[in-house]
Amino acid sequence: NAGVMQNPRHLVRRRGQEARLRCSPMKGHSHVYWYRQLPEEGLKFMVYLQKENIIDESGMPKERFSAEFPKEGPSILRIQQVVRGDSAAYFCASLTVSSYNEQFFGPGTRLTVL
Amino acid sequence: KQEVTQIPAALSVPEGENLVLNCSFTDSAIYNLQWFRQDPGKGLTSLLLIQSSQREQTSGRLNASLDKSSGRSTLYIAASQPGDSATYLCAAPPGGYNKLIFGAGTRLAVHP
Repeated sequence: NAGVMQNPRHLVRRRGQEARLRCSPMKGHSHVYWYRQLPEEGLKFMVYLQKENIIDESGMPKERFSAEFPKEGPSILRIQQVVRGDSAAYFCASLTVSSYNEQFFGPGTRLTVL
Repeated sequence: KQEVTQIPAALSVPEGENLVLNCSFTDSAIYNLQWFRQDPGKGLTSLLLIQSSQREQTSGRLNASLDKSSGRSTLYIAASQPGDSATYLCAAPPGGYNKLIFGAGTRLAVHP
């Protein structure tokens, strides 16, 4: 059973471009979380999705950021018109609802905005 | 609002020492608490998960305890090794929710 997969692992964008980050949850997991780790800071929750639904986006910046988890395919975190302050590591985690609710993390995508 | 604090922020010890890393949280209505390890530039590796009904969990040289009433968890590392050098994170979801609230971490360096 493959773990949580994220791609690309590293992404370089110039200011004003769009960044698309992909997350494939573990097989059988239908819940996806996105977290952001800014340089020298802790991980912060961004958004929680289930298939075709955004459950909690309270941690997502109001502008330029969006997320989806379609019925088929990976979850996508999209950042429009990137700025230098978006440079960070973006992690996704998945879980399947059980008595444990343990979250399993992907390796992350490191976004650098030039 | 859940807040998670980890003490100490950094720790440097010689190989072989037994270590205690501390985590405190403000919302005691947690569903579980997870301890992770993060190596520089890498992702998170789940070490231990403690259910709210449990008091401790063990995996090899690691033991994690949970005291919900006092809002504390402790990660105990026995006989530390240089390979244990990493940042250790604890995370607790606020009551009723699954999103994890992370502490800032304890940066551990074990030198030979």
